[in-house]
Amino acid sequence: DVKVTQSSRYLVKRTGEKVFLECVQDMDHENMFWYRQDPGLGLRLIYFSYDVKMKEKGDIPEGYSVSREKKERFSLILESASTNQTSMYLCASSLSALSTDTQYFGPGTRLTVL
Amino acid sequence: GEDVEQSLFLSVREGDSSVINCTYTDSSSTYLYWYKQEPGAGLQLLTYIFSNMDMKQDQRLTVLLNKKDKHLSLRIADTQTGDSAIYFCAESAAGNMLTFGGGTRLMVKP
Repeated sequence: DVKVTQSSRYLVKRTGEKVFLECVQDMDHENMFWYRQDPGLGLRLIYFSYDVKMKEKGDIPEGYSVSREKKERFSLILESASTNQTSMYLCASSLSALSTDTQYFGPGTRLTVL
Repeated sequence: GEDVEQSLFLSVREGDSSVINCTYTDSSSTYLYWYKQEPGAGLQLLTYIFSNMDMKQDQRLTVLLNKKDKHLSLRIADTQTGDSAIYFCAESAAGNMLTFGGGTRLMVKP
């Protein structure tokens, strides 16, 4: 079974803090994704990576950066957290980018920025 | 850009059928997906349908696709309380890059 784990289930940070969200997958997947989930808006793609050290902007990259130094790990960074970044953050991975390659999701990190 | 729309909420009684609807705008969609999110969990892929199909059945789940109207539906037969969750419709036009709908919260009453 594919396992995608995220470092924290719940996180509370203050405005202006630097925040790291970590995601690890154990199936040697090439592609990894970071989404944020907000009620009524579904999931919106922040960034994705198709290889080590490679990254591409998604639909809402502003205020975020990412790092992929190792194939199994994809980090989402909030350089200076703001209250409008309070959200549920979901990581996913897939074997490659083929249409039939399922994205497997982690359990999510609920981030609250005060 | 692409847009995927779903109603926010559906309530059914245990044992009834549930039908969750989704509309999308991208006519170049190749695959359409249904994901389920249980409380406190990530998303789990339930099923998907290729755009040249109009129906797919998998046990209690039936997916219907009307490509002309860009309408996708998920029917759950004999709905159980364990089916209570948020259901997301998603489409992909290029590779497995997904555009998600806002999610439909299904509540199953005993």
